[in-house]
Amino acid sequence: EAGVAQSPRYKIIEKRQSVAFWCNPISGHATLYWYQQILGQGPKLLIQFQNNGVVDDSQLPKDRFSAERLKGVDSTLKIQPAKLEDSAVYLCASSPAAVSLRGYTFGSGTRLTVV
Amino acid sequence: GESVGLHLPTLSVQEGDNSIINCAYSNSASDYFIWYKQESGKGPQFIIDIRSNMDKRQGQRVTVLLNKTVKHLSLQIAATQPGDSAVYFCAENHGGATNKLIFGTGTLLAVQP
Repeated sequence: EAGVAQSPRYKIIEKRQSVAFWCNPISGHATLYWYQQILGQGPKLLIQFQNNGVVDDSQLPKDRFSAERLKGVDSTLKIQPAKLEDSAVYLCASSPAAVSLRGYTFGSGTRLTVV
Repeated sequence: GESVGLHLPTLSVQEGDNSIINCAYSNSASDYFIWYKQESGKGPQFIIDIRSNMDKRQGQRVTVLLNKTVKHLSLQIAATQPGDSAVYFCAENHGGATNKLIFGTGTLLAVQP
């Protein structure tokens, strides 16, 4: 079974620039998550999708972060404009269903450095 | 507020010894816990899980213990190997409509040959 695919693996941008990350979940997984992992910390949930609808975006800084999953498969996370404190690894995860935590699988992440 | 914390940020063990990684959680409503292993440059990898109606669960070389009275979780790794070197996170879920996982800070396990 193919895992959760993310791209790019690394991105370096200047503050106030924009950046986008892409995630392709495991085939058939209805639920998709974006987590932010700051160096030395555990991941923190930014947003959860069930198919193409948002289940939880309470921790997403909506003034600069946006995410979409238009066709209920791939997802993009965007930051505009970026700040220095956005430097982190952005992890995408997927699971078969919203009520099941079994099969919750993470991708390798995109490491963002804002300079 | 919600928090999941670890007692030891770094644990150094000799190859072949047993390792114990601890985690304290604060939300008594949490009903599901997962231990993850994260190697450098990779995403968290599932190790073992446990529901709140259990106090012990065993896997291959790993055991998770849950003490709900003191809100404490531990991961025991038997016969620790160099390949076990990584950061270990505990995560909790409160149930409900979302599958939000709340992660602790992590413990770095360093296995000395």
